Amino acid sequence: DAMVIQNPRYQVTQFGKPVTLSCSQTLNHNVMYWYQQKSSQAPKLLFHYYDKDFNNEADTPDNFQSRRPNTSFCFLDIRSPGLGDAAMYLCATSRDQTVEQFFGPGTRLTVL
Amino acid sequence: GESVGLHLPTLSVQEGDNSIINCAYSNSASDYFIWYKQESGKGPQFIIDIRSNMDKRQGQRVTVLLNKTVKHLSLQIAATQPGDSAVYFCAEKRVSGGSNYKLTFGKGTLLTVNP
Repeated sequence: DAMVIQNPRYQVTQFGKPVTLSCSQTLNHNVMYWYQQKSSQAPKLLFHYYDKDFNNEADTPDNFQSRRPNTSFCFLDIRSPGLGDAAMYLCATSRDQTVEQFFGPGTRLTVL
Repeated sequence: GESVGLHLPTLSVQEGDNSIINCAYSNSASDYFIWYKQESGKGPQFIIDIRSNMDKRQGQRVTVLLNKTVKHLSLQIAATQPGDSAVYFCAEKRVSGGSNYKLTFGKGTLLTVNP
């Protein structure tokens, strides 16, 4: 089945230690998104790739970076995680910018 | 800040009853409104959308109503089942710089279906 896969599902890191979260998709969608979702809150868009074009949200901290080496993969890099970065990180894809986005199961990040 | 919000954070219904989840929005320029369902431990899942020039749209057991006069959106679920238990988010499609669009999600309503 076509899907969005996120690895790992749970990630524990130390304060200030860089961490990378991974997302892959078999849907062949050209747009990939990264959202941050804190407990009991709505998903908040961090940035997205439209094909190879990177689009950062204005309020996304510089601490968050992303890479998309090819259509199928996208990475979220947190350069120096703080305690406030503990959250669920959701990857999503879409064909162009349709309203139907396909989400992965998320990676829950814990910062110690 | 967010311009899509929900009236009730929780909703509890009996299995077989109809459910209505409400949402208020403030951005009149949004051209689409969308409902997503998020089950525990999973990512959000698209349910249904409605274009801003429509008042009503029906799907399988779900209906979305849009009242632009009062900037109100609702999701109606017919014959609610235990599998409908989840957090429901309304979202709007907005311009995000240039020709890019993004979804802005509201806070979510937790729907609990009692057997």
